[in-house]
Amino acid sequence: RKEVEQDPGPFNVPEGATVAFNCTYSNSASQSFFWYRQDCRKEPKLLMSVYSSGNEDGRFTAQLNRASQYISLLIRDSKLSDSATYLCVVNGNTGGFKTIFGAGTRLFVKA
Amino acid sequence: GAVVSQHPSWVICKSGTSVKIECRSLDFQATTMFWYRQFPKQSLMLMATSNEGSKATYEQGVEKDKFLINHASLTLSTLTVTSAHPEDSSFYICSASVGTSGITDTQYFGPGTRLTVL
Repeated sequence: RKEVEQDPGPFNVPEGATVAFNCTYSNSASQSFFWYRQDCRKEPKLLMSVYSSGNEDGRFTAQLNRASQYISLLIRDSKLSDSATYLCVVNGNTGGFKTIFGAGTRLFVKA
Repeated sequence: GAVVSQHPSWVICKSGTSVKIECRSLDFQATTMFWYRQFPKQSLMLMATSNEGSKATYEQGVEKDKFLINHASLTLSTLTVTSAHPEDSSFYICSASVGTSGITDTQYFGPGTRLTVL
């Protein structure tokens, strides 16, 4: 089992749609969680951190469920510019610091 | 926001040569820097973690004698791919973070270096 698993994409949605991505992680000692966005042939850019209490930034909402070891990202009112690969990232410090990236979920938003 | 630069942004070299990639944190001092590699249509794979003034910690399967990391200051880390071969062609990305007690928070990524070995 992979340490961080994400929905296999790609997701093809029309503009204005709401889309949700899921991510599960295997290490219960993981300490911090993030969603990054990566455009084609570019570096990842931080989209948002993920907290147990949930956090929202405009059209984006992230949730963390530690009991289920599950992270989600919800995008409302999708824009064409949201088309990208979304990476789930998990940090832990068990036996040495470790950052694990999920394989990413590709999103295509169409007009 | 924190800015991380990488140089060069792309490089093409002959098989057997060595290539050095620089990673700089421009407006902050980075406690830790990370080096990643990304093959086409795959996610980032952490290669090594480095702290200023100490030896880098390499991930399993990454040859430390092939991928030399030097973290000379709190704003500069270098990755040297020694005796590069075509299978080393990849997108190399560094990141830097400010953290305490070895636990980092947000990582700020450089723009990446695309290495092509002929």
